[in-house]
Amino acid sequence: AQKVTQAQTEISVVEKEDVTLDCVYETRDTTYYLFWYKQPPSGELVFLIRRNSFDEQNEISGRYSWNFQKSTSSFNFTITASQVVDSAVYFCALRGGSGYSTLTFGKGTMLLVSP
Amino acid sequence: DVKVTQSSRYLVKRTGEKVFLECVQDMDHENMFWYRQDPGLGLRLIYFSYDVKMKEKGDIPEGYSVSREKKERFSLILESASTNQTSMYLCASSFLVGTGVEQFFGPGTRLTVL
Repeated sequence: AQKVTQAQTEISVVEKEDVTLDCVYETRDTTYYLFWYKQPPSGELVFLIRRNSFDEQNEISGRYSWNFQKSTSSFNFTITASQVVDSAVYFCALRGGSGYSTLTFGKGTMLLVSP
Repeated sequence: DVKVTQSSRYLVKRTGEKVFLECVQDMDHENMFWYRQDPGLGLRLIYFSYDVKMKEKGDIPEGYSVSREKKERFSLILESASTNQTSMYLCASSFLVGTGVEQFFGPGTRLTVL
């Protein structure tokens, strides 16, 4: 069985602070994919990143960065110099390697960035 | 850009009514999914389909059925709506295999059953 744990239910920061959203996963698959999605107040989930299990390189995209560590089964997401527009619910998700695998989502972390 | 559209953003129905939620994608994706999202429970998979006329139960299929007659369209059906089916319903689609396995989501339908 697959499981994704986002221990932080809600985080509040002030604009320009850095913030890290934690994600820990469990799977027996040797090949799998990890994802982060953003859900702004409008409701639509927006895809942010996909990471394959065989690629442990960290990734940076503007103010966003992701730290994938297989040794600790974690895929953490850091926002540098947070902005009010970053306020949203963020979901971490896991998918097995088979084409018929489905996504397992964490329960999400609500990030509130205050001006 | 991938486009997943859902027939309604907001829907209000009465207990016992038959409810149809429609989802259409324009990227020729094989896979389509229906989730419901509730506070504190995250996203839970109701049904999914990896091909026309194929369907698979997700984690919470009870009280729901689905239909996929065309590749681009996936319908969720509440045979007899109940108040505990009041929720946000999200449709998604993805390729079956390859690098593009991420799911793309529609804007959601907020269903209220009175």
